[in-house]
This record gives sequence, structure tokens and C-alpha cells, in this order.
Amino acid sequence: NAGVTQTPKFQVLKTGQSMTLQCAQDMNHEYMSWYRQDPGMGLRLIHYSVGAGITDQGEVPNGYNVSRSTTEDFPLRLLSAAPSQTSVYFCASQGQGASYEQYFGPGTRLTVT
Amino acid sequence: GQNIDQPTEMTATEGAIVQINCTYQTSGFNGLFWYQQHAGEAPTFLSYNVLDGLEEKGRFSSFLSRSIGYSYLLLKELQMKDSASYLCAATDSNYQLIWGAGTKLIIKP
Repeated sequence: NAGVTQTPKFQVLKTGQSMTLQCAQDMNHEYMSWYRQDPGMGLRLIHYSVGAGITDQGEVPNGYNVSRSTTEDFPLRLLSAAPSQTSVYFCASQGQGASYEQYFGPGTRLTVT
Repeated sequence: GQNIDQPTEMTATEGAIVQINCTYQTSGFNGLFWYQQHAGEAPTFLSYNVLDGLEEKGRFSSFLSRSIGYSYLLLKELQMKDSASYLCAATDSNYQLIWGAGTKLIIKP
């Protein structure tokens, strides 16, 4: 099992550009989520999904879109990049139930200039 | 509001014991997680507590007191590889994780 995979690992964008961060998991998990991690702050939830075709907003959804057409894939789209979106982005998946741990992808380091 | 507090940084000596504290305030509570995150890497799961008391797992133990919104992670026989950030996260009534900013643990020889 590959677990949770993310691409790319690093990305530099100019202000106003758009891009998609890819995330895939092979553990058949229904729950998937996207976080951003900034220095001195906890992980902040951007969007999440409880199954194919179902997505919802987290704490900081503005400027990001998601879709979940399959159980495996959960891409995150930046619509018009801004310097405030410079961050490390983690995708995670989780099995059913509150006690189940989240499995994280390796992260994408995004810089917006 | 919802809040998780943990120290920003701690230093300990190789071979010693260290306790990392976490206090939380959430709307509802469905358990508390501890994750380890090495620099430049993703968080990895360490422990989960939902009932009061101590859960031991090798060199690591985690304690929970729901009545006072308090948890700690205890690391024994510290090794250099334990140098990392330790993230505390509480699950609220909507089963969403509320994350602390993490405690950076520095191990000195």
C-alpha cells in the first residue's frame, strides 16, 4: 500500500495563477481532508469529504475548491493564488469512526510570489 | 471558542523523561490525539485517549483528564530521534479535529 500520496512536493506560483494539488489514497477510506500548516499555528482544516460526491468547508476554505469524484482522489484547487496562501499543505485520510487515526500525505510546500 | 494550548518548545536530555502538556477547550469532546512530526515531514499518529487515565505504548504514554480538559504525553528513555514536534488535537462534537500549534522537543546529548 502506498498510503496517502500527494503531488507535487514543491511548487512556486505567481500571484493570480491557479493550480491543483493532487491527493490519492489506497486504503479505501471514506473521510479525506486538506490542511494547511503555517509556522506557529496548528493545522487548519481547509475542506473535507466524508465520501465520494460529498464535500464540505473547514475552518479556512476561502480561495480553495475541492471535488471528490472517487473514493481514492481528493484534489485541492487554488483558484487565484495569493501570497497569503504560501504554506505547507497536507492531505489526510481516515477510517470510519472518531478513534481512527488520520494518515497524512508527505505534504506540498507552496510559495506564492 | 475552541482552543488547544501546549508549550511552544521544550528541551530535554538523552535518556531522560519529558512530559508535554496539553489543555483543550472544545464544544463537545470525542477524544484526544497525539501526533509526532519530524521537521519537513508529515505528522504520524502516536496515541488516542477518550477515557480518563493513562495509555501506555512502549516508551510513550498518554494521559487524559476530561473533567479539566487536560492531557499529557510522557516520553521515557529519550533518544535523539525523538527530537520532533508533538501535536495535540482534540475531536469536537462534530468529530472535527482541533489542533494545537505543536511543541518542539529538542533532545540534547
